[in-house]
Formats: sequence, C-alpha cells, structure tokens
Amino acid sequence: QVQLVQSGAEVRKPGSSVKVSCKASGGTFSSYAVGWVRQAPGQGLEWMGGIIPVFGTAIYAQEFQGRVTITADESTGTAYMELSSLRSQDTAVYYCARVPTRSPTVRGQFDYWGQGTLVTVSS
Amino acid sequence: DIQMTQSPSSLSASVGDRVTITCQASLDISNSLNWYQQKSGKAPKLLIYDASNLGTGVPSRFSGGGSGTHFTLTISSLQPEDIATYYCQQYESLPLTFGGGTKVEIK
Repeated sequence: QVQLVQSGAEVRKPGSSVKVSCKASGGTFSSYAVGWVRQAPGQGLEWMGGIIPVFGTAIYAQEFQGRVTITADESTGTAYMELSSLRSQDTAVYYCARVPTRSPTVRGQFDYWGQGTLVTVSS
Repeated sequence: DIQMTQSPSSLSASVGDRVTITCQASLDISNSLNWYQQKSGKAPKLLIYDASNLGTGVPSRFSGGGSGTHFTLTISSLQPEDIATYYCQQYESLPLTFGGGTKVEIK
C-alpha cells in the first residue's frame, strides 16, 4: 500500500521561503510522478507542478515559475517542494500526490495523496 | 489554460437520492478527466479516472461519464458518508486544472 507522509506545519514571514517534504513508502518511488497541489483556506485545488524522480526534471505551473522548486531524492524516496518569496496569499495546505505515469509531462490522475502540510505566512 | 466549470456549486439532497454533478471543459479534453472527493479537513481521494473508471475501493454507487467537453459524476443512492466536496480535474494539457468544486449536503 502506497503511503505519502509529509512534513509538519510551518509558519513563515513574508519574503521568506519554505520547504515541504513528502516521503513515499510501499511503492516504487522513482518510477512514477509526484505532483504538488495546494489549497488556500476555504478554496479549491491548484496544481503547482510535478516531477518524475528517475528523470529528475520538474515541470511547473506558469503561476509559480521562478518561485517554486520541486526536487526528489531517490535514495530516500522523498520529494520536496520549496516555495520562495512567500506572501500572505501563499497561506494554504500543500499536498503531494502520486501520479501513476512515466510520462515526463506528469499528466494523469492523483491516486495517492499525502496528509497535507499547512503553511502559514504571517508577519 | 483549460478552464473547468462545475455545477452546481452546492446541492442538498436526501439519503437515497440520485445526485448528478456536471463538469464542463473550455476545450475538448477527450476522456482526460478525473473526479475527487474531499471530506472536511482531509486530503482529496480519487473516485473516477479517465472519465469513467472507478478508483480502487470506491463504492459502485459512484459513476462517471462523458467525453469531449461535458462530463458527469453520479451518485446513484446518496449516503450520509458521501457528504463532501467533489472536484473534477483535467489532464489533457498542462497546467493541470481543477473545477471549482461542488459541496454536497444532506437535506
């Protein structure tokens, strides 16, 4: 059974950065894609980007280009999402999720999800 | 970007009712459409993939249909545990985009 376990809640000041981790177990981490989706309080779901660990190249939504970096460490089965230049509008729950595809475009369904990491940006 | 429009944004129905949620894509996305259920305070759960395929462990009262630009999610007999917000998501092209959600409540 695939499980994705994310790091704990974070509080950051505007202008700083945050790095959220997502550790996979119970499956073949490297062979499939990992995507990142965020959800602001009371709002819908927003795709940020994704990566296939075995390829190592990430794809990002245009909205986050230049501010987000998605990486993966095959040796530990962990994916990371780092968001910089934080503003109050970045306050949200950030989810990692597996996409069962080997396509570098990381398109498909999110079949397993992490529990979510709340990132609060406040001065 | 492909816009996904869900309707209604919320609905209230009785236990045992048949419930249908629609999702309209701004461009033809073939069958590249998924549905998720999100209960309060929880991560989303995959219900339907490729427009009509049931996710692992999902009850058979859930079904998906449609292709091109018009899609539906149907709950054949609403149960109390189906209280949640439902989202559609397209993966025909990047960026992946979600509908705005449909909140389902019990009358």
